[in-house]
Amino acid sequence: QVQLVQSGAEVKKPGASVKVSCKASGYTFASYDISWVRQASGQGLEWLGWTNNENTGYAQRFQGRVTMTVNTSRSTVYMELSTLRSDDTAVYYCARANPQSGGGFDFWGQGTLVTVSP
Amino acid sequence: SYELTQPPSVSVSPGQTARITCSGDALPKQYAYWYQQKPGQAPILVIYKDNERPSGIPERFSGSSSGTTVTLTISGVQAEDEADYYCQSADSSGTYQVFGGGTKLTVL
Repeated sequence: QVQLVQSGAEVKKPGASVKVSCKASGYTFASYDISWVRQASGQGLEWLGWTNNENTGYAQRFQGRVTMTVNTSRSTVYMELSTLRSDDTAVYYCARANPQSGGGFDFWGQGTLVTVSP
Repeated sequence: SYELTQPPSVSVSPGQTARITCSGDALPKQYAYWYQQKPGQAPILVIYKDNERPSGIPERFSGSSSGTTVTLTISGVQAEDEADYYCQSADSSGTYQVFGGGTKLTVL
């Protein structure tokens, strides 16, 4: 069965960087894009960007601060966010975009809580 | 930047029909998707490509599109449908994905 398993919770200080991983299993990894979405407590969903083995695309407000990479041999995608601020505190999700559903996000990771605090 | 607009809340009684709208200028050009999210859980895709339903999603969930507005309809609402619902689509270039602000569905 399709699974996206994310790394554990992180606590970081303002100005630091965080790197979250998302390990995929149960499907042909290279055939699907992965997007990253975050959600602050009590707030809505916010798209950060997407990646596959060949390309990446980032939301405009995160360009220059976010980097998404892929390790194909480990079927793992990474999202690194730098220069952290308190308003980056959120649950970060990876999600698979399925071409058969027109790119809709059909499977999601369990989420990784990133807390930015002095 | 591109925005999708949803009502903050919708309330219905069990068995009634709930309609949640999502408006955006690029919706005539780009597909819309709908997600259900319950507290403490990851979102679940309930509608894709405006009106298609993934396997395992109950038939009472349907989607439609008209001009710059897409609508998620839940017929015969059940207590278990109480959740936050988010629409998602892309800007006119298809480069950037955007989520609506979310709608809290309350089953009275």
